[in-house]
Amino acid sequence: GAVVSQHPSRVICKSGTSVKIECRSLDFQATTMFWYRQFPKKSLMLMATSNEGSKATYEQGVEKDKFLINHASLTLSTLTVTSAHPEDSSFYICSAMTPSGRGYEQFFGPGTRLTVL
Amino acid sequence: SQELEQSPQSLIVQEGKNLTINCTSSKTLYGLYWYKQKYGEGLIFLMMLQKGGEEKSHEKITAKLDEKKQQSSLHITASQPSHAGIYLCGAGPQETSGSRLTFGEGTQLTVNP
Repeated sequence: GAVVSQHPSRVICKSGTSVKIECRSLDFQATTMFWYRQFPKKSLMLMATSNEGSKATYEQGVEKDKFLINHASLTLSTLTVTSAHPEDSSFYICSAMTPSGRGYEQFFGPGTRLTVL
Repeated sequence: SQELEQSPQSLIVQEGKNLTINCTSSKTLYGLYWYKQKYGEGLIFLMMLQKGGEEKSHEKITAKLDEKKQQSSLHITASQPSHAGIYLCGAGPQETSGSRLTFGEGTQLTVNP
């Protein structure tokens, strides 16, 4: 089946530093990947749509200069949280979209827990 | 924008009991997805419903999309501790795309042995 990985699974960093999170589709190519953010006991909030070879599309209220997205290949998208602050601490989940018999399906990564001290 | 409301927000049941989780949309649902999430982990795809009146089952979990396509229910029969987790419904903005999913707030299910 379609597998999506994320690295790292957990990261702790100091305030002001930048953190890069990788999202990889392991056994399929994904022209589109999505980045979500999840707060404790809350639902997933879509941050941006990452398209291979083009600029990411950000949702309203999401700072594109704060959350840099690069979709370098059909199997890799990266999210860089620049100059991280404690309020950026969250659970970040990516998903990769692939065509299926039912149209398109999204497969989710296991998530990355970011803690900014 | 589409909004999804799930009820109940949390549910505690005794092992062996049946339960139902509801997901109500502010707009017509074209593709309704159910996922399960363990705290701090990714989402596990359960089922996708597209047609009004559609019903799908997988093991002891059954999901339905009502005829008017604005509400879906997820029913678990004879619940087990392994069913515990957060259940999320998600919906896409149009019929042919699973992209840009909007999620409900989730339902936290606890199954006591």
